[in-house]
Amino acid sequence: DVKVTQSSRYLVKRTGEKVFLECVQDMDHENMFWYRQDPGLGLRLIYFSYDVKMKEKGDIPEGYSVSREKKERFSLILESASTNQTSMYLCASSYPKGTVLYSGANVLTFGAGSRLTVL
Amino acid sequence: AQTVTQSQPEMSVQEAETVTLSCTYDTSESDYYLFWYKQPPSRQMILVIRQEAYKQQNATENRFSVNFQKAAKSFSLKISDSQLGDAAMYFCAYRSADNDYKLSFGAGTTVTVRA
Repeated sequence: DVKVTQSSRYLVKRTGEKVFLECVQDMDHENMFWYRQDPGLGLRLIYFSYDVKMKEKGDIPEGYSVSREKKERFSLILESASTNQTSMYLCASSYPKGTVLYSGANVLTFGAGSRLTVL
Repeated sequence: AQTVTQSQPEMSVQEAETVTLSCTYDTSESDYYLFWYKQPPSRQMILVIRQEAYKQQNATENRFSVNFQKAAKSFSLKISDSQLGDAAMYFCAYRSADNDYKLSFGAGTTVTVRA
């Protein structure tokens, strides 16, 4: 029962191409996140969104943008892909504070990841 | 900024044995949450266990338990009776109680289980 779905598991793109990574969740979560995972660096937050059309920069937003037009969908956009953006990208979602289902710890539910290679 | 350090890039354990993964973190805050996430090969990352800093009792979830030492800023994960399905990368993570959005991860420890 997959609840956070990332549209592509593997992508290969060329330098300079525009890349869209899509993420959809079916848990009615307000919060959605995009992380980048690199060996030896763990996960680093790129952007997050706490509501439709709302977005906030994470730790490494440079070279990325996001779009959240619907509650269930959060897209990561690489306007002009570069080789240093070759990485695993993870989408996640969670309930916001104040909701009945908020656990206090705000546990994230992750997608399976999208491995992007930029040549 | 909070820093989470996992000093063991790789650990190997014999099936049915116990393995302990270390994690230390740096923070000036008193109220926070700590997590261990598991990422099996080619599969989704899932929560293994979590600990609230205000709770002195160490969290346990079946064969998984933590040793939370607040003063030492240490949060180790013990996997008892290791099974082949425990093979994965394990990430330690920290979140301030004041910030719902910022989860800081360690670099990860890859656990191999030998049959």
